[in-house]
Amino acid sequence: DAGVIQSPRHEVTEMGQEVTLRCKPISGHNSLFWYRQTMMRGLELLIYFNNNVPIDDSGMPEDRFSAKMPNASFSTLKIQPSEPRDSAVYFCASSLIIGSPLHFGNGTRLTVT
Amino acid sequence: GENVEQHPSTLSVQEGDSAVIKCTYSDSASNYFPWYKQELGKRPQLIIDIRSNVGEKKDQRIAVTLNKTAKHFSLHITETQPEDSAVYFCAAAGGNQGGKLIFGQGTELSVKP
Repeated sequence: DAGVIQSPRHEVTEMGQEVTLRCKPISGHNSLFWYRQTMMRGLELLIYFNNNVPIDDSGMPEDRFSAKMPNASFSTLKIQPSEPRDSAVYFCASSLIIGSPLHFGNGTRLTVT
Repeated sequence: GENVEQHPSTLSVQEGDSAVIKCTYSDSASNYFPWYKQELGKRPQLIIDIRSNVGEKKDQRIAVTLNKTAKHFSLHITETQPEDSAVYFCAAAGGNQGGKLIFGQGTELSVKP
């Protein structure tokens, strides 16, 4: 298996632009998680899905952030409009079921200027 | 919600020595405790995990202990090697926060040759 696949690996954009991050979980995994990593705040859980349904989005910082999972093999995290404080590494992770080991993708490094 | 505290934030040891990283959690109902290793610029990778029905688990040079009464768990690395140098994260899940995996702030381990 190729593991969790994220794209793009790097994204540089200007403040105010829309950013879309993409994730393909491991085939057969039923749970998908979006995390944000910064030096100051560490690894923060933004939202997670189970069987394509959002279960908990309490970590989504603002209405500028939205996430979707239209099917079992694809998820997006969108930021509109982006701000410099959104600069971070965004990780997608999947697990077979809730409470089983998480497998992380390689992350998207987002820089908003 | 769950809160995970991790100590120390940085740890420097000589090659061959042991390293111990400690975490405490707040939700007594949490039942899954994984540890992740993250090398610079890479994704977090699971190295060992433990469930609440077990007090200790070992895998070669790595061991994890869990004290449910005190709500703390620890990672022990014996015979450290330079390639053990990385940031280590503890996490807790289950209980009242469902499938959410909440991470500690991380420990930067440096193993000096």
